[in-house]
Amino acid sequence: EAEVAQSPRYKITEKSQAVAFWCDPISGHATLYWYRQILGQGPELLVQFQDESVVDDSQLPKDRFSAERLKGVDSTLKIQPAELGDSAMYLCASSRIGQGSETQYFGPGTRLLVL
Amino acid sequence: GENVEQHPSTLSVQEGDSAVIKCTYSDSASNYFPWYKQELGKRPQLIIDIRSNVGEKKDQRIAVTLNKTAKHFSLHITETQPEDSAVYFCAASSTSGTYKYIFGTGTRLKVLA
Repeated sequence: EAEVAQSPRYKITEKSQAVAFWCDPISGHATLYWYRQILGQGPELLVQFQDESVVDDSQLPKDRFSAERLKGVDSTLKIQPAELGDSAMYLCASSRIGQGSETQYFGPGTRLLVL
Repeated sequence: GENVEQHPSTLSVQEGDSAVIKCTYSDSASNYFPWYKQELGKRPQLIIDIRSNVGEKKDQRIAVTLNKTAKHFSLHITETQPEDSAVYFCAASSTSGTYKYIFGTGTRLKVLA
């Protein structure tokens, strides 16, 4: 069964450093999401892509976060500079919206610790 | 803004008993309601979902009910087993917009053997 892939699984960095996370959605899924999940809370959407276009980045802190999906397949989420409050799990998900299904399938996540 | 409230935050039940988790949503345009199970250190996995044209859906020991008028939906797990122990998240989505999910805050379920 195809799954969403993410790397790295864990990242420790110091504040003010830059970090980047990678996501490879399920093949054929046009919609890709990046979520942030703080311990004890539900996932919160950061950015949503339809193919290579951003359709929702209203909750993305654009002064320090950026996301791209240049060829409409895999995606990178970057934080620069990282702050202590960015420590969280970053989840990627994909779906076939517009292709008959709104169900989102999640990757294993990247756990970020900012020191 | 859009909001989903989930209760309880923690739930302990004896093995074999039933568990019920409740969610309330605010956006009346919401019409798709998935439930995810997240075990420690693992990815959220879809366990069941329901659309607004259906009042109840069942899959073996798991069922979901939806009350559109009250904007409530609930997850029911019967004959609980230790492997049901996990964090459960509800979500609400509208298929008339970007299909964005609004998640609840999660319920940590412990099934005691």
